[in-house]
Amino acid sequence: AQTVTQSQPEMSVQEAETVTLSCTYDTSESNYYLFWYKQPPSRQMILVIRQEAYKQQNATENRFSVNFQKAAKSFSLKISDSQLGDTAMYFCAFMISYSNTGKLIFGQGTTLQVKP
Amino acid sequence: DAGVIQSPRHEVTEMGQEVTLRCKPISGHNSLFWYRQTMMRGLELLIYFNNNVPIDDSGMPEDRFSAKMPNASFSTLKIQPSEPRDSAVYFCASSRIAGGFTDTQYFGPGTRLTVL
Repeated sequence: AQTVTQSQPEMSVQEAETVTLSCTYDTSESNYYLFWYKQPPSRQMILVIRQEAYKQQNATENRFSVNFQKAAKSFSLKISDSQLGDTAMYFCAFMISYSNTGKLIFGQGTTLQVKP
Repeated sequence: DAGVIQSPRHEVTEMGQEVTLRCKPISGHNSLFWYRQTMMRGLELLIYFNNNVPIDDSGMPEDRFSAKMPNASFSTLKIQPSEPRDSAVYFCASSRIAGGFTDTQYFGPGTRLTVL
């Protein structure tokens, strides 16, 4: 069975600074995706970034980038130049890529507070 | 392109009443997922459909919960009778599965259900 662990329940960062959120996972599968979703106070679940396990290059989306360490089963999210609008709960998630289910396994979430 | 649409956004009802939540997936997506989010249990997958067929409903808490997908563009989650412990945010998500490969799940805005 797959598991996803986010060991930081809460974090804070000053506006314009950089913050890194941690995520580890456990799986015996070799083909999978990893995701970071953002849930702001509006409750909407927003996709932030996606990483395919077969790709060695780390995914980036503007100010968001990941550090994907496949051997260590680690998938951290770096937010550069933090903005007040980045305040949200962030969920790390895992999905087997070759599957007829598309089932997502979520971590417990990390609440990020960006301070002015 | 429109995202996942859920209605209503908020629902307040009294214990014992029937509640119906609705979801319209993204056009072209063939998998649909219902989740429940509470403070105590986090995000839970309740049921998912592939090509309108329920694949796994093991997450449905009890017989009071039922879900249907009569066609590719509409799904309902019904609770009858509702209880205060059903109060939560219910999310619908959709994705595309083709040739055995899964794709990213996109979430609707959620329905906040309060059962008094």
